[in-house]
Amino acid sequence: RKEVEQDPGPFNVPEGATVAFNCTYSNSASQSFFWYRQDCRKEPKLLMSVYSSGNEDGRFTAQLNRASQYISLLIRDSKLSDSATYLCVVPGGGSYIPTFGRGTSLIVHP
Amino acid sequence: NAGVMQNPRHLVRRRGQEARLRCSPMKGHSHVYWYRQLPEEGLKFMVYLQKENIIDESGMPKERFSAEFPKEGPSILRIQQVVRGDSAAYFCASSGRTGEDEQYFGPGTRLTVT
Repeated sequence: RKEVEQDPGPFNVPEGATVAFNCTYSNSASQSFFWYRQDCRKEPKLLMSVYSSGNEDGRFTAQLNRASQYISLLIRDSKLSDSATYLCVVPGGGSYIPTFGRGTSLIVHP
Repeated sequence: NAGVMQNPRHLVRRRGQEARLRCSPMKGHSHVYWYRQLPEEGLKFMVYLQKENIIDESGMPKERFSAEFPKEGPSILRIQQVVRGDSAAYFCASSGRTGEDEQYFGPGTRLTVT
């Protein structure tokens, strides 16, 4: 199965800061990747898909760098409510099973 | 449009008992995945099913654990003779296609073995 690596953090940032996470993967021919958000003791929720051309949704921007095999998530103007664990997901690329990273913890403080 | 449903949300079992966890996928989805998450750990894939078929169970322990997704009704994850190490959150996810598509998660079942 694909290896997916994330810096576990925590990333501790003040409100309003810009923060970026990377996620490296090994060997996937998939066309799209995903970022999920997981709050403490809750289920993961889809945050955004990551396409070859990148994706932007409000304060969130996701990029895919296929040559260097990583995806990134940029959060601008951080809010307290952004505090969560962010999981990157590499689809199966033919093996049916996506691989979840262990997540990066973000703490936004006043 | 109901999302993925799981029940029970919390389940307490004594060592040696059986645990049955149920998952109803999102409407229109025929692919179901089960994951286990221990405290402070990542999601661990257990099994992938389509209607009436187990496609990949490589993440599921060979003993005591089984899963099914019948033609009618929810997917069931069954753990026989539970042990304390089975205590975890069990999440079910569904998707419209195979592993290339985004998955939508249910709220999970928190199993506690006493």
